[in-house]
Amino acid sequence: DGGITQSPKYLFRKEGQNVTLSCEQNLNHDAMYWYRQDPGQGLRLIYYSQIVNDFQKGDIAEGYSVSREKKESFPLTVTSAQKNPTAFYLCASSIDPPGHSVEQYFGPGTRLTVT
Amino acid sequence: AQSVSQHNHHVILSEAASLELGCNYSYGGTVNLFWYVQYPGQHLQLLLKYFSGDPLVKGIKGFEAEFIKSKFSFNLRKPSVQWSDTAEYFCAVSGGNNRKLIWGLGTSLAVNP
Repeated sequence: DGGITQSPKYLFRKEGQNVTLSCEQNLNHDAMYWYRQDPGQGLRLIYYSQIVNDFQKGDIAEGYSVSREKKESFPLTVTSAQKNPTAFYLCASSIDPPGHSVEQYFGPGTRLTVT
Repeated sequence: AQSVSQHNHHVILSEAASLELGCNYSYGGTVNLFWYVQYPGQHLQLLLKYFSGDPLVKGIKGFEAEFIKSKFSFNLRKPSVQWSDTAEYFCAVSGGNNRKLIWGLGTSLAVNP
């Protein structure tokens, strides 16, 4: 069954700790994305990657880091430098044909609570 | 800069009422337009999309949207809503070959049985 998996569904951390959110896809998509969703603020892009070993900052990258060592995986680390880390984090992927924009497919999300 | 505006933040309807959710965007070139839906406890999923061709686009579950280029709009419609349409709806836009989506803030729809 193809899709995007994010784990865990709920994550709790103490302030000052780094935490890594997992995102795996078996859709053979080239591009992957991380968004943050806060009530009333829509989706805001944190990082995206169009190819293995390459990624770009989105609109709110400060306090976050990513890696893309494998096509299937795009983990997001929320560092202690992120001032307001409590949020719902969504991972997405898309095929990446040259010269085209296509729809993104989403995982179920991880709700991170930092206290 | 590109932006997307969804005019209605919260909409409450009774079953069988008609629905229209507004979406306007600002971008000067060719656009790709999307409506996504997030049902309670479920993944964000694509309702419909417009890339080119017929400006009236039909999606899943009886939804449709019309691209009006002169008005920079891509409003979502459904003639008769059901309780199961209760969800959050997001309009998104990308410009030309740009993979990045610009998202509206979302509209929360509650349908009363």
